[in-house]
Formats: sequence, structure tokens, C-alpha cells
Amino acid sequence: SQTIHQWPATLVQPVGSPLSLECTVEGTSNPNLYWYRQAAGRGLQLLFYSVGIGQISSEVPQNLSASRPQDRQFILSSKKLLLSDSGFYLCAGERASGNTIYFGEGSWLTVV
Amino acid sequence: QKEVEQDPGPLSVPEGAIVSLNCTYSNSAFQYFMWYRQYSRKGPELLMYTYSSGNKEDGRFTAQVDKSSKYISLFIRDSQPSDSATYLCAMSEGKSTFGDGTTLTVKP
Repeated sequence: SQTIHQWPATLVQPVGSPLSLECTVEGTSNPNLYWYRQAAGRGLQLLFYSVGIGQISSEVPQNLSASRPQDRQFILSSKKLLLSDSGFYLCAGERASGNTIYFGEGSWLTVV
Repeated sequence: QKEVEQDPGPLSVPEGAIVSLNCTYSNSAFQYFMWYRQYSRKGPELLMYTYSSGNKEDGRFTAQVDKSSKYISLFIRDSQPSDSATYLCAMSEGKSTFGDGTTLTVKP
């Protein structure tokens, strides 16, 4: 199975500051990669997914962007954080031919 | 209407009880069915994975899929306090769709 590494685990950022969350995948090549956000007590909201290097699809318009500079690296960024960006962010991956998604441990973001 | 509807809970049971967690769906193209367990402040972990209709058992856990009714269930036998978590169902036809989760508390 795959292993998803995600960092940092927790961060507190002021409004207007930039953001960078990183994710790397072990155990498979050319994975499909995902960024989700999970609000407290709520379901998973798909933010971005990528099927290959430089290929990013956005599911919802927002203050965030994603990049995939390497096959097994996925980055979530923002130039200026908003209070509403607070939440639990999850990186996930699956084999290109697979149908099961594996998640990282998540990153808790609090914007103050 | 959501493609995947999950019993919202929360659910609270005594230790040793049998737990039933349920999801319904509308997309008949779904072929793969998963259950994830998510502990507080952690990422979801894959618990069970089944393909098409039928039952799959793994220890105290049984996943059941009824494609004719578009209904899936996860049964937990002899529930333990360590089973307290949020359980997410998920379904895939190439792209995964998740339920919103059911929070389970097993009381000693």
C-alpha cells in the first residue's frame, strides 16, 4: 500500500500571510493526488486533484492553489490567507489504475 | 441530492454491542465500496474494501454491499471503546465519492 507524508501537522497563521502545505507519496509511481478540506463535524470537500506532473484540476474556486512539481510531491499554497481558510487539510493519493484512496495524517490550519 | 448519503448519527452504544453503519447511493456506476475509520484529529484510514455486491469479513468487521438496493453497511461485532471514531463510507467508479461520516462512541 501507499504511504502519504504530510506536513506541517499543525500551524497557526495570521490573516494575509502565505501558506504552503507539502505532501509526498511512497509506494507507487504516477499516483493520482488529492487535496481535501474537512470542516469540523463535516464531510470531505475536494479542493484539487492531479493525475500527473503539472496537471492540476480545481474543484472549487477559492483562495488556494496547488502544484505538483514532482511525480510524488503535491503542494497546497495560498498567497494571502483568509479566516475562512481555517480547517483540516488532507492530502490523499491512489494508484493511477486504482480505486482506493489513502490519506495522510492531515494538517490543522488556524488562521488568526 | 447528494450521490452518497450516510446516516448522520452520532451513535452511542455500550461496549460489546453490535453496531450497524449505513450508506445509500444513487449512482449505479459505483463498483468499489470502501469504509474508512477516522480518529479525532487524524486522517482517515482505509478499513474495508469491497468490489461489487456481497459480504466481506475481517475480524469483528463485516462490510455488506447490496447493489440492487444501492445500500452498503458496515457491521462491528463486540464493539470496543477503541472503535470510537468517525466512520466514512466511500464509493468509486474511477473517482471516489465520500459520505459525510457517522461518529460512533462505544462506552465502557
